[in-house]
Amino acid sequence: GESVGLHLPTLSVQEGDNSIINCAYSNSASDYFIWYKQESGKGPQFIIDIRSNMDKRQGQRVTVLLNKTVKHLSLQIAATQPGDSAVYFCAEKRPVGSARQLTFGSGTQLTVLP
Amino acid sequence: DAGVIQSPRHEVTEMGQEVTLRCKPISGHNSLFWYRQTMMRGLELLIYFNNNVPIDDSGMPEDRFSAKMPNASFSTLKIQPSEPRDSAVYFCASSWLTGGSGANVLTFGAGSRLTVL
Repeated sequence: GESVGLHLPTLSVQEGDNSIINCAYSNSASDYFIWYKQESGKGPQFIIDIRSNMDKRQGQRVTVLLNKTVKHLSLQIAATQPGDSAVYFCAEKRPVGSARQLTFGSGTQLTVLP
Repeated sequence: DAGVIQSPRHEVTEMGQEVTLRCKPISGHNSLFWYRQTMMRGLELLIYFNNNVPIDDSGMPEDRFSAKMPNASFSTLKIQPSEPRDSAVYFCASSWLTGGSGANVLTFGAGSRLTVL
């Protein structure tokens, strides 16, 4: 069936390097995507979102890229810091069924090495 | 705003007991969501409310699970009777949903970790 999935379950990067976390989605009709960060023992926290009519959106140290041709989403974190260590989830909003619910991917564990 | 407030943070109970999880959404938000998170299944939507009315409960596992939202500032998720397989972290989230775009940024609570022995 259709799903939101991540290419890599774990990612380790050196402090100061850039991180790229990838996400594949299968529903070409999805029109809204969000990245969440979840630190240990906490709930997911909103990082950045993007609508399907855009291909890039930038925030503070983070950039989300959307490639609708291959149904791929990525989160880029510049100058990764120890506080960025967390699980990162992408979520897609599917227009069918309950239009306002999000479907979350399985998550990628980002570990920042000193 | 204190954010989404959940209680209890941790609950350990024995199989067969009733469990009630509570949530106070962000004031002014019109939608509330209950999610369950496990290592095996990730984040699963159980039910969501819009203006205190349950809109989609297709994710509720079975009749042992029930959720209510008696007013805009309070919701409960009840499991009766509880089973070991219900052990998970349960998250409540709230959002302000606009009528047109349907886009929603959820604000999550810290979660309630449930262990059923």
